[in-house]
Amino acid sequence: EIVMTQSPATLSVSPGERATLSCGASQRVSTNLAWYQQKPGQAPRVLIYGASARATGVPARFSGSGSGTEFTLTISSLQSEDFAVYYCQQYNEWPGTFGQGTKVEIK
Amino acid sequence: QVQLQESGPGLVKPSQTLSLTCIVSGGSISSGGYYWNWLRQPAGKGLELIGRIYTSGSFNYNPSYNPSLKSRVTISLDTSKNQFSLKVRSVTAADTAMYYCASSSALANWFDSWGQGTLVTVSS
Repeated sequence: EIVMTQSPATLSVSPGERATLSCGASQRVSTNLAWYQQKPGQAPRVLIYGASARATGVPARFSGSGSGTEFTLTISSLQSEDFAVYYCQQYNEWPGTFGQGTKVEIK
Repeated sequence: QVQLQESGPGLVKPSQTLSLTCIVSGGSISSGGYYWNWLRQPAGKGLELIGRIYTSGSFNYNPSYNPSLKSRVTISLDTSKNQFSLKVRSVTAADTAMYYCASSSALANWFDSWGQGTLVTVSS
């Protein structure tokens, strides 16, 4: 099973600032990597797939990069609605596996 | 995008079987091109993929299960009702979690539509 590791566990950011979240894979996953946002009491929502493609309706302030084992999700200017938990998921090998999440909180 | 809705008991006794159903609307599960998945998330923890199933409409493929749960899990389809189901046998407190159903493209297994989730507690 591919282990996904996210850092940091918690990121404290002021509104309007840039947030950079990292995700590492224990094996190469090419660009078969997705990012999800989860708010309290809600199901996850896909933001990014294919490591860098924004899902339908996702604002342009969200961007993804990376390939192989190292990936990054960047939120260029945090809005109030962006404070949430973010998960990365590899789907290169079965079963798809998720990182433990990064909580983005208001500084 | 399709809409998905989980249903089932919120409380299951230890050693019994957890049974959930996911009703799909806004599209047919028989149309092909999509996997139908079950995931779970213990409170305050991360997400775990339980398994998935696929049908081309004319043929139901064997489900795929996470090895960590494979011996206790069954996922099945009911195309006549446009729904799919999950059974987890011999449950323990460790199976207490929010359970989600979700769809994913057969070309790439990232999850594009999710149900709202249903909380299942294992307790006597």
